[in-house]
Amino acid sequence: AQSVTQPDIHITVSEGASLELRCNYSYGATPYLFWYVQSPGQGLQLLLKYFSGDTLVQGIKGFEAEFKRSQSSFNLRKPSVHWSDAAEYFCAVYGGATNKLIFGTGTLLAVQP
Amino acid sequence: DARVTQTPRHKVTEMGQEVTMRCQPILGHNTVFWYRQTMMQGLELLAYFRNRAPLDDSGMPKDRFSAEMPDATLATLKIQPSEPRDSAVYFCASGSQGPQNEQYFGPGTRLTVT
Repeated sequence: AQSVTQPDIHITVSEGASLELRCNYSYGATPYLFWYVQSPGQGLQLLLKYFSGDTLVQGIKGFEAEFKRSQSSFNLRKPSVHWSDAAEYFCAVYGGATNKLIFGTGTLLAVQP
Repeated sequence: DARVTQTPRHKVTEMGQEVTMRCQPILGHNTVFWYRQTMMQGLELLAYFRNRAPLDDSGMPKDRFSAEMPDATLATLKIQPSEPRDSAVYFCASGSQGPQNEQYFGPGTRLTVT
């Protein structure tokens, strides 16, 4: 069965600094991979997704993620963080065998002025 | 601006009471999902529907939870009887074709069972 691990529960970065959030997945074939963001009191919003093709994926709000099959990773990056990026970020994997989207436990991002 | 709407946004109830949560998916979306979010378990898929038919409800406690789509504009999640361990945020999401595509989440219903 597929699974997702987000090893960092909480990360704090300074505004303007670069950001990388880690995500590792477990799945036998090429998965569909997603990053969602959840602002306080809100539902989740899709940032970006990877299905196939170019392993560097661009998303909304200046985010990108890179699929690395050899490392089973799909890390989220942003070159310069804004205070409005403070939120919780969820990596998710879809596997055809279970026909479900499985979410990681989330990484809570705090942004210092 | 098409959005998924959920009512109520907040619900406080006593143990043993029935709770009904409602969701209006985005018009034209044929897939509806119900998730539960807690600190301990994170986001869990409870059930999902395609074209109003339940495709998977394996994540839902069958003895007390039920999910239905009376029509294409309304999905409901009921808990009867409710228990304190049901306290969580319940999200509805809608999308096209299946879980492998983008899901659009509603704002959630925060349920507290005392």
